[in-house]
Amino acid sequence: KAGVTQTPRYLIKTRGQQVTLSCSPISGHRSVSWYQQTPGQGLQFLFEYFSETQRNKGNFPGRFSGRQFSNSRSEMNVSTLELGDSALYLCASSSGQRGISGQFFGPGTRLTVL
Amino acid sequence: SQQGEEDPQALSIQEGENATMNCSYKTSINNLQWYRQNSGRGLVHLILIRSNEREKHSGRLRVTLDTSKKSSSLLITASRAADTASYFCATDRSANTGNQFYFGTGTSLTVIP
Repeated sequence: KAGVTQTPRYLIKTRGQQVTLSCSPISGHRSVSWYQQTPGQGLQFLFEYFSETQRNKGNFPGRFSGRQFSNSRSEMNVSTLELGDSALYLCASSSGQRGISGQFFGPGTRLTVL
Repeated sequence: SQQGEEDPQALSIQEGENATMNCSYKTSINNLQWYRQNSGRGLVHLILIRSNEREKHSGRLRVTLDTSKKSSSLLITASRAADTASYFCATDRSANTGNQFYFGTGTSLTVIP
């Protein structure tokens, strides 16, 4: 099976712009989670989508949003970018059944906000 | 917010030695997982241990879980230079309704050839 893919791998934006990141999960996986990783805050959970519905949400402002399509692919959108949004954004997929297996992570999208 | 802390923050050992890293967490969990991350890349799932398990092995990895102390340890035996990476524990809280994992701060392991 192909692994989790994320596009783009690198992105440079300026403050105030918006950005859309894409994640394609492993075939057959219905759960997609998004995480933000920064040196100061570590890995922070953004949200999880399961069967096109947001099932869990972390403690991030409304500027961060996401969606999932019927083929389980997911997108994450950040509007009105701030310098502090510079981070590695990781997507993870799983079957969605708790405690069965871990999550499979993509390589991440490195977002730099200037 | 992060669920827990890994200890130590950084660890440097010689190839062939064993590496032990610890993870503490704060709330009741359904399971705990360990991940490895090579510099600036995605995370790789290593092992999952359920709350009713006390020890689990996978190859050179040994994980223990003490729910009474809310702590876990990861032991890597006979370390190799390729084990150099950051290691994170992630907890699945009992109160969760789906996949929502809380990651610790990570241990940076350096294995010197």
